Amino acid sequence: SQQGEEDPQALSIQEGENATMNCSYKTSINNLQWYRQNSGRGLVHLILIRSNEREKHSGRLRVTLDTSKKSSSLLITASRAADTASYFCATGPYNQGGKLIFGQGTELSVKP
Amino acid sequence: DAGVIQSPRHEVTEMGQEVTLRCKPISGHDYLFWYRQTMMRGLELLIYFNNNVPIDDSGMPEDRFSAKMPNASFSTLKIQPSEPRDSAVYFCASSFVRSGVYQETQYFGPGTRLLVL
Repeated sequence: SQQGEEDPQALSIQEGENATMNCSYKTSINNLQWYRQNSGRGLVHLILIRSNEREKHSGRLRVTLDTSKKSSSLLITASRAADTASYFCATGPYNQGGKLIFGQGTELSVKP
Repeated sequence: DAGVIQSPRHEVTEMGQEVTLRCKPISGHDYLFWYRQTMMRGLELLIYFNNNVPIDDSGMPEDRFSAKMPNASFSTLKIQPSEPRDSAVYFCASSFVRSGVYQETQYFGPGTRLLVL
């Protein structure tokens, strides 16, 4: 069963705009991670936020986590055409060490 | 560092044939994961290993699928016999999880694109 559900499924913006993607999940987690996948490639890890953290930054990325609402958001600021990719959230279930459950992903298109 | 290595990168086979996909994880990693990705079902976890031991194979679709990890540097995913609905991209990923309780970054290979005719 799917743990992470992402919203929107697809997002199209202009270069320079901000992109926000949301992820909701169902059960208790140790951490939540975001990955990126360029077309035809493997997934690449972007950022990890632990269950006791509320916000984390990495370059132009900002991730928030609200464990009471079981939701997370990924914000990409000042987007570039090169940010065009699919973005996945992945949750680490509380009692299943090592394992991640991936959402269906958000397909982001950044137009130059 | 070479990263996770998968072979072959592309495989085209006919229904009923045996298919073997191979993966070499990053040296020192203690977890290895096999995923399948399709447009319809997204990214599915098939099976994962910890220190070469299978931990959870509940995602393996049928008995036609089997996976082994004979040592820390090699794993195979075998489909026998293959069917057209097995067509997908198969990813291998590895991770180093210090405690065994939590989850850490997974490093993905480039994937094997399988087409079963």
